[in-house]
Amino acid sequence: DAKTTQPNSMESNEEEPVHLPCNHSTISGTDYIHWYRQLPSQGPEYVIHGLTSNVNNRMASLAIAEDRKSSTLILHRATLRDAAVYYCILGLNSGYALNFGKGTSLLVTP
Amino acid sequence: NAGVTQTPKFQVLKTGQSMTLQCAQDMNHNSMYWYRQDPGMGLRLIYYSASEGTTDKGEVPNGYNVSRLNKREFSLRLESAAPSQTSVYFCASSEGPHRANYGYTFGSGTRLTVV
Repeated sequence: DAKTTQPNSMESNEEEPVHLPCNHSTISGTDYIHWYRQLPSQGPEYVIHGLTSNVNNRMASLAIAEDRKSSTLILHRATLRDAAVYYCILGLNSGYALNFGKGTSLLVTP
Repeated sequence: NAGVTQTPKFQVLKTGQSMTLQCAQDMNHNSMYWYRQDPGMGLRLIYYSASEGTTDKGEVPNGYNVSRLNKREFSLRLESAAPSQTSVYFCASSEGPHRANYGYTFGSGTRLTVV
């Protein structure tokens, strides 16, 4: 199964952009790239997903490399509320399981 | 706009006691899931229900049973609680399977301690 690799932690200043990287070098052509985040003491929350093209929504942008072996979640202006663990997950053909790894813990400082 | 509702939010059990965690969704989703999250770890799938009337084991099903009561409700039962089942339990729902590009909606969790 294709896996993802993310840094354990990152730090950002408030109101600055944040780029959260994810490597998925063994991704298959039909795997979607999903991002979820988990705020402290809450359940995971869907952020964004994409297949080949870059995607934007009200929460974030997703930049996908041309070879699809990596992607970057972009928070355009980090706020204190964005401090969370961010998970990059592939839409694997294994069916129903969302395969959460350890994710990236984002710290946002004032 | 409740989404996924879990009850109770907190529970303390003694070893050997039984209990049922309740989950309900109001989004008319077909699929529902139970995950557990241990400290410092990602979520692991316990059981899921692809559609009303079906249930399947996930990664860590031992010690648990589930019931898909109807399209809205999916319960998780611990028949004889053990300290190893101390965890945070999350229920989730989706229109369909993850591979088919459906996003999941999670509840806020049940924090269970078994002493």
